[in-house]
Amino acid sequence: AQSVTQPDIHITVSEGASLELRCNYSYGATPYLFWYVQSPGQGLQLLLKYFSGDTLVQGIKGFEAEFKRSQSSFNLRKPSVHWSDAAEYFCAVGAGGYSTLTFGKGTMLLVSP
Amino acid sequence: NAGVTQTPKFQVLKTGQSMTLQCAQDMNHEYMSWYRQDPGMGLRLIHYSVGAGITDQGEVPNGYNVSRSTTEDFPLRLLSAAPSQTSVYFCASTKRPGLGGSETQYFGPGTRLLVL
Repeated sequence: AQSVTQPDIHITVSEGASLELRCNYSYGATPYLFWYVQSPGQGLQLLLKYFSGDTLVQGIKGFEAEFKRSQSSFNLRKPSVHWSDAAEYFCAVGAGGYSTLTFGKGTMLLVSP
Repeated sequence: NAGVTQTPKFQVLKTGQSMTLQCAQDMNHEYMSWYRQDPGMGLRLIHYSVGAGITDQGEVPNGYNVSRSTTEDFPLRLLSAAPSQTSVYFCASTKRPGLGGSETQYFGPGTRLLVL
């Protein structure tokens, strides 16, 4: 069975600073990887996804993620954080041929002025 | 397209009461799923369906029933609510993935449930 680990429960970043959120997955075959963002009291919005091909994936709102098979990682990055990026971020893995996702426990991003 | 819709948005129940959380999608997606979200736990899969008449259990199915009579609707039933079922419930849908492939899941806005 697949699993996802997000090692950081909370991260605080100054506005304008760069951001990296960590995600490690466990899955025996080629994973399908996703990052979702959730603002307080809201639903989940897809930031980006990796299915195959180029290991550096561009998403919405200036986010990108890099798939590293050797490290079983799919870290999310943004070069300059805005106050509106404060939210909870979830990494998820999907098994090939299936319709469901396994989520990490989430990382809460706080943005300081 | 309305996408994935969920009703109600909020609900308060007493222990032992029953209720049905509604989920509908208008994207003609074959696959639908229910997740619950609890603080510090991420989202966990309750039940899912790969088509009308076909359902299966996820990671945390106890206390919940589902059925899928149409492609559009996938209701989640709590037969006898318990305080441990206090949570935020999300419904999701996706197209049928190709062989060995995957597709993006689209989530509804969620239902916040409080069981007293």
